[in-house]
Amino acid sequence: QKEVEQNSGPLSVPEGAIASLNCTYSDRGSQSFFWYRQYSGKSPELIMFIYSNGDKEDGRFTAQLNKASQYVSLLIRDSQPSDSATYLCAVLSGGSYIPTFGRGTSLIVHP
Amino acid sequence: GAVVSQHPSRVICKSGTSVKIECRSLDFQATTMFWYRQFPKQSLMLMATSNEGSKATYEQGVEKDKFLINHASLTLSTLTVTSAHPEDSSFYICSANRPDSGGAGDTQYFGPGTRLTVL
Repeated sequence: QKEVEQNSGPLSVPEGAIASLNCTYSDRGSQSFFWYRQYSGKSPELIMFIYSNGDKEDGRFTAQLNKASQYVSLLIRDSQPSDSATYLCAVLSGGSYIPTFGRGTSLIVHP
Repeated sequence: GAVVSQHPSRVICKSGTSVKIECRSLDFQATTMFWYRQFPKQSLMLMATSNEGSKATYEQGVEKDKFLINHASLTLSTLTVTSAHPEDSSFYICSANRPDSGGAGDTQYFGPGTRLTVL
């Protein structure tokens, strides 16, 4: 059973701070990792993906992957109230086309 | 990013009627599409995986005769909720796999969702 774990939160951070969202996974054969953002009442939106160990930056977002420790993180710099949403981690195993989703972490950025 | 559309965005129907929801990948061909359901304040629940030209694979507990899925082309999948009842009221979201997105393998893009209310 492939598992993807996320702390449900809510994670509350002040505006301008760095929000750190974490995700762990059980399948060592996992190869691709995705972060989605879902606003209340809306469908998930892809933020970024990562498949190599290390950091990947895209604007205010940085994904960090550590395959040895089986975790992937999403950092949001200069957090804004508009970043308040649920963040879903998804993991795709090698040879599979069906990702496994975590249950999501709720992020609240307060002014 | 890739674009996936869904229609209708919102539907209200009477109990016992059937509702069809369309999911289209607008700028890529999707061999695989997925159908999810999400109740308020709950996580996504995968209902079925739809492969073009073959029968859908349903998750445990999802009635295939109630939720009919057709994936007739590489850009269109439909979900029909047959004989809908109030307990079927939910947010239905489709997604489509875009292959080889920048080295990550298949990347899933979501449609905007359909909010179904059964009276």
